[in-house]
Amino acid sequence: KAGVTQTPRYLIKTRGQQVTLSCSPISGHRSVSWYQQTPGQGLQFLFEYFSETQRNKGNFPGRFSGRQFSNSRSEMNVSTLELGDSALYLCASTETDRNYGYTFGSGTRLTVV
Amino acid sequence: AQSVAQPEDQVNVAEGNPLTVKCTYSVSGNPYLFWYVQYPNRGLQFLLKYITGDNLVKGSYGFEAEFNKSQTSFHLKKPSALVSDSALYFCAVRDRSSNTGKLIFGQGTTLQVKP
Repeated sequence: KAGVTQTPRYLIKTRGQQVTLSCSPISGHRSVSWYQQTPGQGLQFLFEYFSETQRNKGNFPGRFSGRQFSNSRSEMNVSTLELGDSALYLCASTETDRNYGYTFGSGTRLTVV
Repeated sequence: AQSVAQPEDQVNVAEGNPLTVKCTYSVSGNPYLFWYVQYPNRGLQFLLKYITGDNLVKGSYGFEAEFNKSQTSFHLKKPSALVSDSALYFCAVRDRSSNTGKLIFGQGTTLQVKP
């Protein structure tokens, strides 16, 4: 079974630009969550999607948004990038509400210059 | 508010010795508890979880953890450390009463196993 696939692995953007990150969950997994990892703040929850609906959102500004498609693939978008958005962005998928195992992708390393 | 504390930024242990990485949590109800490991420039790898039942949970790579409700702790243990266990370890909690998959993570503990 293929794991959680995140693309791209690395990204360099300039302040003010926008970026879209992609996450393909494990086949059959309907829930996708996104996390931001930075040295200072650690791992912070961004949002969770289940069956194309945002089910929960973390404490991030509106510049951070996401969506989920009918095939469960998810994208997150960050607009008007700031230097502080530089981070490792991790995606996790799980099968259903009753399956408590979360499988993480390898992440996208975003650097804002 | 839910929170997870990993009181040690770094744990150093000699290869072959037992290791413990500490975790305490605070949630309003009964928690689901998880341990993940992260190697450099990689995502998180699942080690083990506590959902219900036996307080001693066995996981991948010889790791185990003990759920202690009275002390609200979920310490990660291994009887004999390997150099290859050196990595960043995260404890996480999910509120059992929540209908979402949101995980709250501790700040992480770097485990250094010396030969």
